[in-house]
Order: sequence, then C-alpha cells, then structure tokens
Amino acid sequence: AQSVTQLGSHVSVSEGALVLLRCNYSSSVPPYLFWYVQYPNQGLQLLLKYTSAATLVKGINGFEAEFKKSETSFHLTKPSAHMSDAAEYFCAVTPTGGGNKLTFGTGTQLKVEL
Amino acid sequence: DAGVIQSPRHEVTEMGQEVTLRCKPISGHNSLFWYRQTMMRGLELLIYFNNNVPIDDSGMPEDRFSAKMPNASFSTLKIQPSEPRDSAVYFCAIDRASGANVLTFGAGSRLTVL
Repeated sequence: AQSVTQLGSHVSVSEGALVLLRCNYSSSVPPYLFWYVQYPNQGLQLLLKYTSAATLVKGINGFEAEFKKSETSFHLTKPSAHMSDAAEYFCAVTPTGGGNKLTFGTGTQLKVEL
Repeated sequence: DAGVIQSPRHEVTEMGQEVTLRCKPISGHNSLFWYRQTMMRGLELLIYFNNNVPIDDSGMPEDRFSAKMPNASFSTLKIQPSEPRDSAVYFCAIDRASGANVLTFGAGSRLTVL
C-alpha cells in the first residue's frame, strides 16, 4: 500500500527565506502525489498535484514541488516565505491511475518569523 | 470552502450521548469522504461513498460509528454512544470528478466529548 512520510513535524523559517518541506513516498510504482495546506480552523486546500506529467509541479501561492523517482521524494518548496504561509502542510498519495482514497502524511507545521 | 457545508462547527457533549455530524455538498460530486483529524493520529479516512454508495468503511473505528448518505446532497456521521477518545475534528470532503483525486474539504466539525 502507498504511504508518505513527512520529515519534521515543525519547521520554522524567517520571512523571505527559502521554505523546504520534505515528503517521501513508499510505493512499488510511481503514485499520484499531492500537497495540501490547512490554515487554522479551516479544512484542507489543494496546493498542487503530480500525476505523472511534468516532474516539476507549480502550485498556488508560489509553491512548487519536484517529483524525484530516484529519491522517492516530493518535497515542497517556496523561494521566499511570507507570513501568510504559516499553516500546516500535508503530503498525500493515491495509486496511479485513479482510485479515490487519499492517504495523508502526518503534516508539517510551518512557522514564519519576522 | 463553499463547496461543502458541515454542521455543527463545534459540539461539546458528555460521554454516552449520541452525536450526529452533518455534511451538505453544495457542488456536484461523485465521491464523498469522512476524515477524522487528531493530534495523535493525524488525518484518518473513516469512510467514503461513490454515487451515494458506501465503498470502503474499513477506517470506521468501531460499531459505535455509522455513516449514511441518503442522497447526493446530504451525509451524516453518527457516534453512539460517544466516548472521550472520539474527541477530534471531523472533516467531510468531496471529489468533484471521479478519479481526479482533488478533494474539496469542509471547514470541519470539532467534537469534544467530556
């Protein structure tokens, strides 16, 4: 079964600094991969998704993620953090070719400091 | 997200009471999901429906939990009797197009069982 592991439950960066949130997947075949963001007291929102097209995926709010099969990774990055990026970020996986069940990672809380 | 309305947003109840959480998908969808979020276990898929039919309820923790979807515009998650360990945020989500795996989440129902 597919799964994802998020390294670091809490990440703190300075405003303007690079954001790097790590996600590694476990799957016998390349799966579909997603990043969702959750702001306080809200549901999750899709940031971006990888579905076996381009390996570099651009999402909303300046975020992007790169699928690296050799490293089984799908890390999320943003060149310059903004205070409004403070939230919890979830990596998720589903089998290639569809299927509705998303399996989420444990989440990474991003803190942005002045 | 306006696509999924959940009620109540907050509920505090005493152990042993029945709890009913409601979900109203505003937009068209094929699939509906119930997730539970806790600090200890993160996001867990409880059950999901395709075209109003329960497909996978393997995540439902116990017989105390039940879910129904009588029509495309309404779903309920019931806990009877409730226990303190059921305290969590319960999310309803929809997949607007089968296989797209892009979930739209409601704002969640925060349940506290005393």
